[in-house]
Amino acid sequence: DVKVTQSSRYLVKRTGEKVFLECVQDMDHENMFWYRQDPGLGLRLIYFSYDVKMKEKGDIPEGYSVSREKKERFSLILESASTNQTSMYLCASRGTVYEQYFGPGTRLTVT
Amino acid sequence: EDQVTQSPEALRLQEGESSSLNCSYTVSGLRGLFWYRQDPGKGPEFLFTLYSAGEEKEKERLKATLTKKESFLHITAPKPEDSATYLCAVQGISSGSARQLTFGSGTQLTVLP
Repeated sequence: DVKVTQSSRYLVKRTGEKVFLECVQDMDHENMFWYRQDPGLGLRLIYFSYDVKMKEKGDIPEGYSVSREKKERFSLILESASTNQTSMYLCASRGTVYEQYFGPGTRLTVT
Repeated sequence: EDQVTQSPEALRLQEGESSSLNCSYTVSGLRGLFWYRQDPGKGPEFLFTLYSAGEEKEKERLKATLTKKESFLHITAPKPEDSATYLCAVQGISSGSARQLTFGSGTQLTVLP
């Protein structure tokens, strides 16, 4: 079974803080993704990575950066958290077939 | 640009009352159509991949079918534990990058005992 884990289920941060969300997959997948999910807006792609140290912007990259130093680990960084970044953050990974496997999500609240 | 539209937005069924969820899609060339189940506060759980028109997949009370324009998720004799949001997504040949999925907004299913 594919397993994708995320570092925290719930996180509360203050405006202006630097926030790190970490994702780890155990299936040697090349592709990893970060999404945010908001009511009424659905799943929106922030960034994805198709190899170590390689990344591409998704649909809403502003205010975020990513890091992929090892194949199994993909980090999402909020450089200076803002209240409009309060959301559910979902990590996913994908191997040679097209379906993506998701982690449990991190509910981030920025106050 | 790939597009996915799911209907209805919400569906309430009595236990045992079979029904179908719809996913209409527009893609330049379909690599795959995916169904996911999402429980509140959790990540989506992968259910099925369909690759070509006429294909069908089954899992317990769920059956997914695919035509050239839409997919249906049929739920036979549902139980309360089938209550969840069901998401549909497509991978198109030219969807920005070969690695991106386009998701629909989901159908929230509630099965009443």
